[in-house]
Amino acid sequence: AQTIHQWPVAEIKAVGSPLSLGCTIKGKSSPNLYWYWQATGGTLQQLFYSITVGQVESVVQLNLSASRPKDDQFILSTEKLLLSHSGFYLCAWSLSGGQDTQYFGPGTRLLVL
Amino acid sequence: GDSVTQTEGLVTLTEGLPVMLNCTYQTIYSNPFLFWYVQHLNESPRLLLKSFTDNKRTEHQGFHATLHKSSSSFHLQKSSAQLSDSALYYCALSEDNYAQGLTFGLGTRVSVFP
Repeated sequence: AQTIHQWPVAEIKAVGSPLSLGCTIKGKSSPNLYWYWQATGGTLQQLFYSITVGQVESVVQLNLSASRPKDDQFILSTEKLLLSHSGFYLCAWSLSGGQDTQYFGPGTRLLVL
Repeated sequence: GDSVTQTEGLVTLTEGLPVMLNCTYQTIYSNPFLFWYVQHLNESPRLLLKSFTDNKRTEHQGFHATLHKSSSSFHLQKSSAQLSDSALYYCALSEDNYAQGLTFGLGTRVSVFP
């Protein structure tokens, strides 16, 4: 069975500080990977997607970047956090393209002060 | 680009009554895939049901929806709401054979009361 793990579970960070969020998928090789952001009470906004190691496509940047250093790992980061970065960050995976179900991880809650 | 429009805001209803959440979409592609995701409090979204076949009813866990390409709609219905149906519901769209992820609507919060 496939499992998806995100770390950390939650973070409180200062404006201007760096951030790194991680996501690992076990039990599935070469999945499509996605990062979503959800503002409190808001909709899900896709940030990045990746279909293979080393390749990441940006959908909406929001002064964030993403990398896929390994087949099963997806990293979201920034060098300088903004207040607007607060929210819920979700990693998701799917088998391949548009018709496949996306499976979401447990998420990371981020509060920027 | 693609867009999804849902019933806005909060829907409150009494247990046992029917529920219908509207979803319409815009896309230039002829083979869209439509999804309903449900997110309970402090949980991650999970798939409720999906469809890509025109005019075919899709059912899961008492909910059903039919994709109507003629009206670009994918409304979610349930004949009898339960307390456990209280959650945030998202309609989402993706394109056939396209790796880019989902375009979500703003979400509809459903609160079911006894």
